[in-house]
Amino acid sequence: DAMVIQNPRYQVTQFGKPVTLSCSQTLNHNVMYWYQQKSSQAPKLLFHYYDKDFNNEADTPDNFQSRRPNTSFCFLDIRSPGLGDAAMYLCATSRVARAIETQYFGPGTRLLVL
Amino acid sequence: DAKTTQPNSMESNEEEPVHLPCNHSTISGTDYIHWYRQLPSQGPEYVIHGLTSNVNNRMASLAIAEDRKSSTLILHRATLRDAAVYYCILNGGSNYKLTFGKGTLLTVNP
Repeated sequence: DAMVIQNPRYQVTQFGKPVTLSCSQTLNHNVMYWYQQKSSQAPKLLFHYYDKDFNNEADTPDNFQSRRPNTSFCFLDIRSPGLGDAAMYLCATSRVARAIETQYFGPGTRLLVL
Repeated sequence: DAKTTQPNSMESNEEEPVHLPCNHSTISGTDYIHWYRQLPSQGPEYVIHGLTSNVNNRMASLAIAEDRKSSTLILHRATLRDAAVYYCILNGGSNYKLTFGKGTLLTVNP
């Protein structure tokens, strides 16, 4: 089945140690999104790529960056994780960037910062 | 962004219908009404969306008020697997992003 894959499901890192989370998709969608979801909160959009065009949300900390080397893969880089960055990170895709489009989410990667 | 208001939580019994309300009094004419749900420890999943007319799919029905200021997600026969947080989200025009609110936590009793 076509899907959005996130590996690993759980990631442990140390305070201040860079970490990269991965997302891949077999849907061949043009748009890939990264959300952060802290405990008992709603998902919050960090940024997204429309093809190769990167779109950052205004309140996304500079500590968070992203790369999309090709259509299928997108990475979330956290340069210096703090304790407050512990969260579930969700990757999603949509065919194009239109309001009517459905977003397809991966299962998420839960990040623990020690 | 147009805002939505949902009850924090609702409870239902298995195999009974569930009506999840959403108020969106500031909706604009081009806003779509999307419903997503998030099961425990999973990513959100699409449920249904609509613009003006009521919509049905294999998962649920969406009833949209005539003035579009409110909508109701209907699960015709709740199962234990339907226990999740349900999010009602508006977007439209040039805004294609999903802005999640707090949603409604649905508990389904056996």
